[in-house]
Amino acid sequence: GESVGLHLPTLSVQEGDNSIINCAYSNSASDYFIWYKQESGKGPQFIIDIRSNMDKRQGQRVTVLLNKTVKHLSLQIAATQPGDSAVYFCAEKKGVTGGGNKLTFGTGTQLKVEL
Amino acid sequence: DAGVTQSPTHLIKTRGQQVTLRCSPKSGHDTVSWYQQALGQGPQFIFQYYEEEERQRGNFPDRFSGHQFPNYSSELNVNALLLGDSALYLCASSLWTGGNQPQHFGDGTRLSIL
Repeated sequence: GESVGLHLPTLSVQEGDNSIINCAYSNSASDYFIWYKQESGKGPQFIIDIRSNMDKRQGQRVTVLLNKTVKHLSLQIAATQPGDSAVYFCAEKKGVTGGGNKLTFGTGTQLKVEL
Repeated sequence: DAGVTQSPTHLIKTRGQQVTLRCSPKSGHDTVSWYQQALGQGPQFIFQYYEEEERQRGNFPDRFSGHQFPNYSSELNVNALLLGDSALYLCASSLWTGGNQPQHFGDGTRLSIL
């Protein structure tokens, strides 16, 4: 069946350091892989996504890497800031014939930025 | 431009009762999806609505039902509430044909069952 899981439940980093959050997936038929950030009391906020036929995509301070050989996804955050503290979820997006899609989420990684 | 809005923000119910949660999608979006997020877990897909019809459904019992209105807003109904239904219920909106566009989430309704 489909599942998206994360290696580490909690990650602590020093302010200014780079953060790497990892995710393993089992369904190779997805169209996109997505990273969401969820702050306490808020809904998930889109960070960046990567199409399944790509292996790297960069945004502002963030980079997503996709390794289809080992079914591994990672999110790299450069110069981590206190505002980056949140739970990060990877999600898989699979479209269906005719339109529409659904997301399958992992359990999340709590990122804590220490001053 | 308003994003996804959900109401109410918090709700307390007792076992056996029924509840209705509401969602207004982001302006320009025509598709609404509902997710259940238990404490400490990732969101789980409940179902998705487009053109006032349920298009996809996750592994949730028939006690969970929904509706979409002509203005694209949506409701999630849960009957015969169980303690295990306590969770954050998230609404996400998107474009039906926007396969490369992300789903946008609201801040959810926190449902507590006593």
